[in-house]
Amino acid sequence: EAQVTQNPRYLITVTGKKLTVTCSQNMNHEYMSWYRQDPGLGLRQIYYSMNVEVTDKGDVPEGYKVSRKEKRNFPLILESPSPNQTSLYFCASRGLGAGGSTIYFGEGSWLTVV
Amino acid sequence: GNSVTQMEGPVTLSEEAFLTINCTYTATGYPSLFWYVQYPGEGLQLLLKATKADDKGSNKGFEATYRKETTSFHLEKGSVQVSDSAVYFCALSLMDSSYKLIFGSGTRLLVRP
Repeated sequence: EAQVTQNPRYLITVTGKKLTVTCSQNMNHEYMSWYRQDPGLGLRQIYYSMNVEVTDKGDVPEGYKVSRKEKRNFPLILESPSPNQTSLYFCASRGLGAGGSTIYFGEGSWLTVV
Repeated sequence: GNSVTQMEGPVTLSEEAFLTINCTYTATGYPSLFWYVQYPGEGLQLLLKATKADDKGSNKGFEATYRKETTSFHLEKGSVQVSDSAVYFCALSLMDSSYKLIFGSGTRLLVRP
């Protein structure tokens, strides 16, 4: 079954404590991306990656880092979380070949920073 | 710039009522258009898509037609069910190097028995 898997699904942390949200896909997709969802704003892209070792900023990258050392994994790193990063985070992936226009999303990770 | 505008919710309907959720977009070039659905406590699921003008996407009784002349992609369903209660997001995908989705703000649908 095609899947994008995120962990943890729910996390409460304190300001300044580094955390990592993992994302893994089993579809051999080249492209992966992170979004955050906030009320009234829809989803906004944080970072994306076109392939291994190729990453770029999205619309709201401040306070986040990513890495793409393997094709299947794309972790989101919050080096020093702050309360304004409290949000619902989604990882997504898609293939870049012909017919690969559909983006698949993970189930989301609820992050609360206190 | 590129953007998606959806009607504000919540939309409250009785079961078997007709549903329309309006979506209009602004984009350079020829984007692909999508509707995603988010059921309570769950992630995003692709509901339907259309990749070029006049295409009609359909799934689970929902339909939307890509209207280039009015830059719209309105979601419709002839008879909603309680199980359709969810948040619906309209989105466009740019055919540029970012491949990102640009989302509307979402419309919450509540269907009452």
